[in-house]
Amino acid sequence: DAGVTQSPTHLIKTRGQQVTLRCSPKSGHDTVSWYQQALGQGPQFIFQYYEEEERQRGNFPDRFSGHQFPNYSSELNVNALLLGDSALYLCASSPGGTGDNEQFFGPGTRLTVL
Amino acid sequence: SQKIEQNSEALNIQEGKTATLTCNYTNYSPAYLQWYRQDPGRGPVFLLLIRENEKEKRKERLKVTFDTTLKQSLFHITASQPADSATYLCALDEYSGAGSYQLTFGKGTKLSVIP
Repeated sequence: DAGVTQSPTHLIKTRGQQVTLRCSPKSGHDTVSWYQQALGQGPQFIFQYYEEEERQRGNFPDRFSGHQFPNYSSELNVNALLLGDSALYLCASSPGGTGDNEQFFGPGTRLTVL
Repeated sequence: SQKIEQNSEALNIQEGKTATLTCNYTNYSPAYLQWYRQDPGRGPVFLLLIRENEKEKRKERLKVTFDTTLKQSLFHITASQPADSATYLCALDEYSGAGSYQLTFGKGTKLSVIP
């Protein structure tokens, strides 16, 4: 079992650009959540996808959007990048659609905005 | 406003001793609480989950308590080892409607176990 995988590992972008991050959940998991983790902080919930729909959303602007595919993989898109978007972006998966169980995290994508 | 506080940013402890980490919260009614371990540059790894109707949970050298009256969870690592050095994150989950839960994390406590 490969666990949760994310791509790319690292990414450097400039202000104003757009970025797409990808996540494949653990086998058998149908719920994917995305988190942003700034240096020295805990992960902050961005949104959660289940059955190809955004189920819950944290306090993030509309520049952050996502998608879930029929195979449960997911993408996170960020438009009009700001310097403050530099962070580790984490994807987590869980089974059952409710999220009330352990989250399996991927290794993250380190995004640097210059 | 809702807040999750982990007692300290860093905790140093001698090998073999028990490490105790604290997680306090305000203005939450969590259905359950989770603890995760995170190593530098890596994603968090799940350790333990405790539900609101449970007082204590154990797993090998780990023990978690959950006091909903005090709004506090304690996380213990007994017989600590240098390999236990990492950042430990507390996370609360509340039922947020539409059949789903949303996890909110604290900032974490960086534990260093000194040989």
